[in-house]
Amino acid sequence: DTAVSQTPKYLVTQMGNDKSIKCEQNLGHDTMYWYKQDSKKFLKIMFSYNNKELIINETVPNRFSPKSPDKAHLNLHINSLELGDSAVYFCASSQDASGTQYFGPGTRLTVT
Amino acid sequence: AQTVTQSQPEMSVQEAETVTLSCTYDTSESDYYLFWYKQPPSRQMILVIRQEAYKQQNATENRFSVNFQKAAKSFSLKISDSQLGDAAMYFCAYRTPQGGSEKLVFGKGTKLTVNP
Repeated sequence: DTAVSQTPKYLVTQMGNDKSIKCEQNLGHDTMYWYKQDSKKFLKIMFSYNNKELIINETVPNRFSPKSPDKAHLNLHINSLELGDSAVYFCASSQDASGTQYFGPGTRLTVT
Repeated sequence: AQTVTQSQPEMSVQEAETVTLSCTYDTSESDYYLFWYKQPPSRQMILVIRQEAYKQQNATENRFSVNFQKAAKSFSLKISDSQLGDAAMYFCAYRTPQGGSEKLVFGKGTKLTVNP
């Protein structure tokens, strides 16, 4: 009964490919997020969705496209992968009232 | 824009001792939330403790406590009776106020080593 889950946990792919990372939360939260953690461990927000509506888009290249089919899911699709996209991607969710964000286990993306 | 600074890239502590991790932040807001997250080698981000800015009382969670100095914009984490399992990266985070665009702004992290 994992609260926030991501698939896959590891993803190795070649430059130029398109890939997706899936995220699901069973906490009943209204808001979901994608964060990127770079090789220096720095975490930065990419997107947030509230009730399937895009709220934050932090100057992320348009090769990255989030999709929220319903309140419990937020997927991240990446087109034309580049070497610089190699990172760990975290999904998170929160309930508006408390604001605490709960993170998934992360997906380590390696682009070769 | 809000920023969070963790001035200690690495810290070490002896098992059973106490260690304090520093965090400062910059904001013009009066109402916000602050967090400490722990990231062990498993890379899972684990919430350690949370502080609401409007509360003067410092938050505590078992062996973890904070020293929140709002005027100084300081939010340090104290770990008492350190255990080997406390070894991890620790991230301080500021949550922007509610209003539809909440996000966490993270510091660069402090790597904590616990020596047996």
